[in-house]
Amino acid sequence: SQQGEEDPQALSIQEGENATMNCSYKTSINNLQWYRQNSGRGLVHLILIRSNEREKHSGRLRVTLDTSKKSSSLLITASRAADTASYFCATDAAQKLVFGQGTRLTINP
Amino acid sequence: EAGVVQSPRYKIIEKKQPVAFWCNPISGHNTLYWYRQNLGQGPELLIRYENEEAVDDSQLPKDRFSAERLKGVDSTLKIQPAELGDSAVYLCASETGGAGANVLTFGAGSRLTVL
Repeated sequence: SQQGEEDPQALSIQEGENATMNCSYKTSINNLQWYRQNSGRGLVHLILIRSNEREKHSGRLRVTLDTSKKSSSLLITASRAADTASYFCATDAAQKLVFGQGTRLTINP
Repeated sequence: EAGVVQSPRYKIIEKKQPVAFWCNPISGHNTLYWYRQNLGQGPELLIRYENEEAVDDSQLPKDRFSAERLKGVDSTLKIQPAELGDSAVYLCASETGGAGANVLTFGAGSRLTVL
């Protein structure tokens, strides 16, 4: 079963624009993580935000977490062609990491 | 450091045949996971090991799937017999384990096609 639901399922933007992806989940969590997956590859960890944090930054990534709404968002600023990939949120609860269905991001040159 | 190594990268078999996937985690990572990823979906957990012990195999279809992690290092996931619906990418991941956040390092995956 997959706890996270991501929105949109697919996103296509122009290079240089910002990309925002959303994740909603159902149960209480310890932390929420975002992973990236390039075509034909495994997932790569991007950023982790703990349940007592509201916002976190890492380079061009900004993650927010609203535990009252059980939702998170991932913002990628100044997108590049290399950001083309699928992005997954994963909720960590009871020592189990559960992934959402992902957002497929395409950056057009 | 080599990262999480999986083999084979691709496997095509006919239904009812057996298949096995191998995973070598990052050295020192005590916790190992097998996930299955269907096309266009997120990974779904099959089994989690702490050292050589399977601590969560609740989503492993035990009638046809089996896994082992001898000596708490390498792991093998087997399917026998394979069905058409088993076509997917099988991902192995590892982490240091213990208290704290579960940040996983994934292998490149083994893509299975069942004909």
